[in-house]
Amino acid sequence: GAVVSQHPSWVICKSGTSVKIECRSLDFQATTMFWYRQFPKQSLMLMATSNEGSKATYEQGVEKDKFLINHASLTLSTLTVTSAHPEDSSFYICSARDPIGHSGNTIYFGEGSWLTVV
Amino acid sequence: DAKTTQPTSMDCAEGRAANLPCNHSTISGNEYVYWYRQIHSQGPQYIIHGLKNNETNEMASLIITEDRKSSTLILPHATLRDTAVYYCIVRVTGTASKLTFGTGTRLQVTL
Repeated sequence: GAVVSQHPSWVICKSGTSVKIECRSLDFQATTMFWYRQFPKQSLMLMATSNEGSKATYEQGVEKDKFLINHASLTLSTLTVTSAHPEDSSFYICSARDPIGHSGNTIYFGEGSWLTVV
Repeated sequence: DAKTTQPTSMDCAEGRAANLPCNHSTISGNEYVYWYRQIHSQGPQYIIHGLKNNETNEMASLIITEDRKSSTLILPHATLRDTAVYYCIVRVTGTASKLTFGTGTRLQVTL
């Protein structure tokens, strides 16, 4: 299947600082990427849909000014958690839609990024 | 997107077939059935998807009932590495179509 890569795999930051997570589609161009958050023992919760060249669409209850999403190219989307607090500590996962591929329109996921805010 | 219902957990002996059911009785005609799995502390992995015909790939087989209201994912020879949470999701494969995750089935493969 197609490959989606996230970086960093894990990050620890101090409360009040910002942290950026990158999501790259390595072997396909993704016009649409998605960002999820997952707390321990819970399912994935969609945060926002990121469209290349336009503003992201956020799910209800997700603060767009706190979770800044940029999708400046067809292979890269970034999520910036601004003014992070301990309650933002979570597993953040990105995914990208392969519009062509052998399974056209299938969505593939990155490895996830663990964020710990201290 | 239509909702799905899956058992909370299942056990399977290593080497045996694992049959994971999914109910999607409100599925629409243009919605596909997708299966993903998530091994602990990793991102979800795509397994297989189908519309109405049965599908098979190197990982699994997908059996969809004729009325499309339910499906079964089959792992023909389960191994310990197949222990994971398996998610059945129905989705329209449009440009803006997203994946909405339920609680999935926690499959435990044992010796």
